Parts: sequence; structure tokens; C-alpha cells
Amino acid sequence: SSVLTQPPSVSVAPGQTARITCGGNNIGSKSVHWYQQKPGQAPVVVVYDDSDRPSGIPERFSGSHSGNTATLTISRVEAGDEADYHCQVWEISSVHPEFGGGTKLTVL
Amino acid sequence: EVQLVESGGGLIQRGGSLRLSCAASGFSVSGHYMTWVRQAPGKGLEWVSVMQSGGSTYYADSVKGRFTISRDTSNNTLYLQMNSLRVEDTAVYYCARPFSGWAFYMDVWGKGSTVTVAS
Repeated sequence: SSVLTQPPSVSVAPGQTARITCGGNNIGSKSVHWYQQKPGQAPVVVVYDDSDRPSGIPERFSGSHSGNTATLTISRVEAGDEADYHCQVWEISSVHPEFGGGTKLTVL
Repeated sequence: EVQLVESGGGLIQRGGSLRLSCAASGFSVSGHYMTWVRQAPGKGLEWVSVMQSGGSTYYADSVKGRFTISRDTSNNTLYLQMNSLRVEDTAVYYCARPFSGWAFYMDVWGKGSTVTVAS
């Protein structure tokens, strides 16, 4: 089982805002990263270090962190955002990454 | 262009062995941490093994003693030797490059190599 807890699924209508959470013990002190994974494809990082976006990722994707919960927010959701989203932590002092169980985002 | 390309997956009987390869281009595997991550059908991501740039290696408890991570600097390739395979090892195996910001995240992933262990 995953150390990080994510809801199995989130559904949202096009144009609305999707929020996907990631919780875990002591996550408040860790940097959280988020990956988007479409069917049959490898994961792609969409937010790193809690709230930074790699180049090429739309501003609609944002991350935040409060207490023991990190949140990936997708604004103005589009059909193309439908995918699985995974959170991940890996502190410099740790020897391995930890992943959440993944959340399937469905665009209604 | 920075790229990772896996190969070596396939269908194997329980108890058998496979070696996965991950050919890197655009950077040196010996100068970076590298990791193998797997995803069982319909499941989330699970870390399998990490090799640090200095050569130290780490394994998930589920594969410790059965899998071995290694690298060949002459052909810039990362490997995962998998022995005593179990049905529960069935998954897509990704190699990925951890990037160090405030913490590590994987900025480059291969497309994955499918391993199916038959009973």
C-alpha cells in the first residue's frame, strides 16, 4: 500500500476546477511533486517542489501545500486533462521515492 | 535530446529471469541518480530500485535479493537484472532520471518495458 494517500477518483465538468489531494504523515515538511499519466504513456511531471511548473506545462496546473495535505489544482479543466495523477515525495536525505496511489481524473 | 529507451521485457515463466536495459542519450547515467519504477496493471507507481551517482544501490523490500541494478558507462546504459520472477512482478517497468531541486523528482522517463510473469 502507498505511504501517500490520494482519492481514487475525481470528476469535474469542462471549464470547472479540479482539486486532487495527497496526504501523509510528515508530508508537511516535504516537497511534493505531481505527475500526469495518460493511458499507455509514461508519467510526465506537471508540478515539482510543491508549486513550480516545468516549461511547457500550462499555468492552469498549480500546486499548494498546507499542513499534511498537498493539492494539485487544475483550473478551467479541458477534456485533454483526463488522466491519472500521481503525487510523489523524495527528500534528499532519503534513499528512495514514495508515491501516492494515483487519482483518476474524469472530465464529464 | 535527453532520452531514455527501455528494452528487454517480455513473457516469462514464474521463477525465470529477465534483464531490462535502459539506454540513455543526452546525458551520462554515471553522473546522475537513476531509478527503476514499475506499475502493475491498473495500479499506481511503485519504486523498485535506485542507483546513486556514486554507485550505491537500494531496493524495495519486494524485490530485494532478487533484482540487481547496474550500469555500463561504456554504452551509457542502466540495467535491471530480475531473477526468481513472481507473478506479482508483472508490470510496466520504467527507468527514470531523478532531478535534484529542493528534493528529487523524475524529470525524464522512458516509455516503459512490459514484463509479464506467467504461472
